[in-house]
Amino acid sequence: KAGVTQTPRYLIKTRGQQVTLSCSPISGHRSVSWYQQTPGQGLQFLFEYFSETQRNKGNFPGRFSGRQFSNSRSEMNVSTLELGDSALYLCASSLFRGIGEQYFGPGTRLTVT
Amino acid sequence: SQQGEEDPQALSIQEGENATMNCSYKTSINNLQWYRQNSGRGLVHLILIRSNEREKHSGRLRVTLDTSKKSSSLLITASRAADTASYFCATGEQRNSGGSNYKLTFGKGTLLTVNP
Repeated sequence: KAGVTQTPRYLIKTRGQQVTLSCSPISGHRSVSWYQQTPGQGLQFLFEYFSETQRNKGNFPGRFSGRQFSNSRSEMNVSTLELGDSALYLCASSLFRGIGEQYFGPGTRLTVT
Repeated sequence: SQQGEEDPQALSIQEGENATMNCSYKTSINNLQWYRQNSGRGLVHLILIRSNEREKHSGRLRVTLDTSKKSSSLLITASRAADTASYFCATGEQRNSGGSNYKLTFGKGTLLTVNP
């Protein structure tokens, strides 16, 4: 089976712009979670989608949003980018919802200048 | 705030030696997982241990869990240069029986360097 794929892998944006990141889960996986990883804060949970509905949300401002499509692919959007949004954004999929094993993609490295 | 805290933050050993990393957490958990991350890439799941288990093995990996001390350890035996990576523990908390409210929280990781 193909693993989790994320596009693009690298992105450079300017403060104030918006960005959309994409994640394709492993075939058959219906749960997709997003994480932000920075050297200072580590891995922070953003949100989880299951069956096209957001089921769980981390402690991030409303500038961070996401959605899931009927084929389980997911996108996350960050509006009005700030310098502090520079991070590695990781997507993880799992067969079921919950606290089981997560399969991670390679991440999207976002740099905000 | 982080639930799991790994210790040490960094560890450097020689190939063939054993590496031990520890994880402490604060609240009751349903499971604890260990992941590996190579050089800023995606995380790879290594092992999951449930709260009612005390020890689990997978190849050269041995994980222990002590819920009374709220701590876990990951032992990698006979380490190899390819084991060089960051290792994260993640605590899984399920807050109700329906499973609709749960939380998987990652620590900040231990950077393991295995020198050839």
